[in-house]
Amino acid sequence: DAGVIQSPRHEVTEMGQEVTLRCKPISGHNSLFWYRQTMMRGLELLIYFNNNVPIDDSGMPEDRFSAKMPNASFSTLKIQPSEPRDSAVYFCASSSRQANVGEQYFGPGTRLTVT
Amino acid sequence: AQSVAQPEDQVNVAEGNPLTVKCTYSVSGNPYLFWYVQYPNRGLQFLLKYITGDNLVKGSYGFEAEFNKSQTSFHLKKPSALVSDSALYFCAVQPVYGQNFVFGPGTRLSVLP
Repeated sequence: DAGVIQSPRHEVTEMGQEVTLRCKPISGHNSLFWYRQTMMRGLELLIYFNNNVPIDDSGMPEDRFSAKMPNASFSTLKIQPSEPRDSAVYFCASSSRQANVGEQYFGPGTRLTVT
Repeated sequence: AQSVAQPEDQVNVAEGNPLTVKCTYSVSGNPYLFWYVQYPNRGLQFLLKYITGDNLVKGSYGFEAEFNKSQTSFHLKKPSALVSDSALYFCAVQPVYGQNFVFGPGTRLSVLP
């Protein structure tokens, strides 16, 4: 299994530009999570999906952030317009409800720098 | 409110010595408990979990964790530390299956040769 795949691994963009981060969860997993990690705030949950449906988006910072999961094998996190304070590492994770308890498996992350 | 505390930002231990990374939680009910490790420029990796049963659970790379219900703690341990264990360690709880995890702030472990 290839694990959770994220792209791009690094993204450098200018303030005001649109940024789209992509995630492919592990095949068969039906829960998907987007996190943001910074030195100041640590690991923050932004949003998570069960069976492609957003369950809790209370962690999304503001309306500039949006996430979609059009099918079980793909999700996007979009920031429009981007700001320097959005600079962070963004992780996608997936888990399975087939097991009684679903540990999360993390992707390698996307390091976003907004200048 | 649900929360996870890792009281030590940094733990230093000499190679070959036992290590402990502490975790306490405040969550209603009987949560599931996890430990994750993060190496530089990598995503978090699952180490071990506690669901029910024996209070001592064993995981990857020789790590184990002890669940203490009365103290609401889930400390990570290893009998003999390796330099390669140096990383950032996160404790997490899952209050009810299907809901999201609550992660602690992380503890940076440094194993000195």
